[in-house]
Amino acid sequence: AQSVTQPDIHITVSEGASLELRCNYSYGATPYLFWYVQSPGQGLQLLLKYFSGDTLVQGIKGFEAEFKRSQSSFNLRKPSVHWSDAAEYFCAVFPSSGGSYIPTFGRGTSLIVHP
Amino acid sequence: DGGITQSPKYLFRKEGQNVTLSCEQNLNHDAMYWYRQDPGQGLRLIYYSQIVNDFQKGDIAEGYSVSREKKESFPLTVTSAQKNPTAFYLCASSMGFYDAEAFFGQGTRLTVV
Repeated sequence: AQSVTQPDIHITVSEGASLELRCNYSYGATPYLFWYVQSPGQGLQLLLKYFSGDTLVQGIKGFEAEFKRSQSSFNLRKPSVHWSDAAEYFCAVFPSSGGSYIPTFGRGTSLIVHP
Repeated sequence: DGGITQSPKYLFRKEGQNVTLSCEQNLNHDAMYWYRQDPGQGLRLIYYSQIVNDFQKGDIAEGYSVSREKKESFPLTVTSAQKNPTAFYLCASSMGFYDAEAFFGQGTRLTVV
């Protein structure tokens, strides 16, 4: 079965600073990979996804993520954080072959943005 | 607009009562999921359904039940057997086997007093 690790529970950055949120996965092959964002009391919104091809993926709100097969990682980045980016971020994996086709989510990283 | 609707947004129930959370989608998706979210624990899968009239237990199914009589609807019942039902519940859907992107509803916060 696949699994996802987000090693950082909380990340604090200053507005305008760069951001990197870490995500590592465990799966026998290359899974489908996702990043979602959740504002308090809301559902999850998809930021970006990776299925195959170019390992640098662009998403909404200025986010990007890079898939590194050798490190089993899919880290999320943003060059300049805005106060409105403060939220919970979830990395998710979905099996690309076999299995029960269920998305598995990490525990989330809470982003705090200081003015 | 297409999407997933969860209702109600807030729900209060007395301990020992069963309660049903609604989830409706008009995306024509085959697969639907229920997740429970507690602080610091991410999303944990309760039940999922990949086709009408079929559903499977997830990681924390005890104390919950579901039905999938229509493609659009996947209600979740929190029974009195669930020991700690107070949580935020999220419903999601996807095309299923060939499209992995999950779409989420806005969630229902259940508080049992």
